[in-house]
Amino acid sequence: AQSVAQPEDQVNVAEGNPLTVKCTYSVSGNPYLFWYVQYPNRGLQFLLKYITGDNLVKGSYGFEAEFNKSQTSFHLKKPSALVSDSALYFCAVRDSRSFQKLVFGTGTRLLVSP
Amino acid sequence: GAVVSQHPSRVICKSGTSVKIECRSLDFQATTMFWYRQFPKQSLMLMATSNEGSKATYEQGVEKDKFLINHASLTLSTLTVTSAHPEDSSFYICSAREVQASYEQYFGPGTRLTVT
Repeated sequence: AQSVAQPEDQVNVAEGNPLTVKCTYSVSGNPYLFWYVQYPNRGLQFLLKYITGDNLVKGSYGFEAEFNKSQTSFHLKKPSALVSDSALYFCAVRDSRSFQKLVFGTGTRLLVSP
Repeated sequence: GAVVSQHPSRVICKSGTSVKIECRSLDFQATTMFWYRQFPKQSLMLMATSNEGSKATYEQGVEKDKFLINHASLTLSTLTVTSAHPEDSSFYICSAREVQASYEQYFGPGTRLTVT
């Protein structure tokens, strides 16, 4: 079964510093990976995806993610964090049994302090 | 583009009543819509997959008679929580998959249901 793990419940970073939110995956076959962000009492917003191609994927709001096949990781990164980046971040993988479904990680809360 | 709306954003109902939540894709056609439930500080749990014009596919453990899903058009899916109980109180989120974009799901803003 496909799964993703987000080992950190919360990540704290100071504004202006680089941030990393970790995600590792377990899939059979080629991974289709996604990052979403959720602000309080809101639905999820798509940030970026990896389907194939370059290992470094650039997404919305200055975020990027690096696909690492040998480490089965897809960490989310941003060179300089903003206070407004504070939110809940979800990593997800497409379910290989049902190409339509996404399997989500448990989420990581990012807190950027001024 | 790719905007999904949900209505209502918040609803409070009494135990035993039914409540309907609408999910609409505003600027694209969605052959497939998904309904999720999110408990506080937890991840999204997929409840069911809704395909336009056919019966929804429910995930294991989700009561189909309690959570009625209708996907009557390419832009509208509804979730009806029947005979609601306080334990049904949750944040319900829908998403829609665009016909042309195979892998992306666009999420609605969610509906906060409180059953008293």
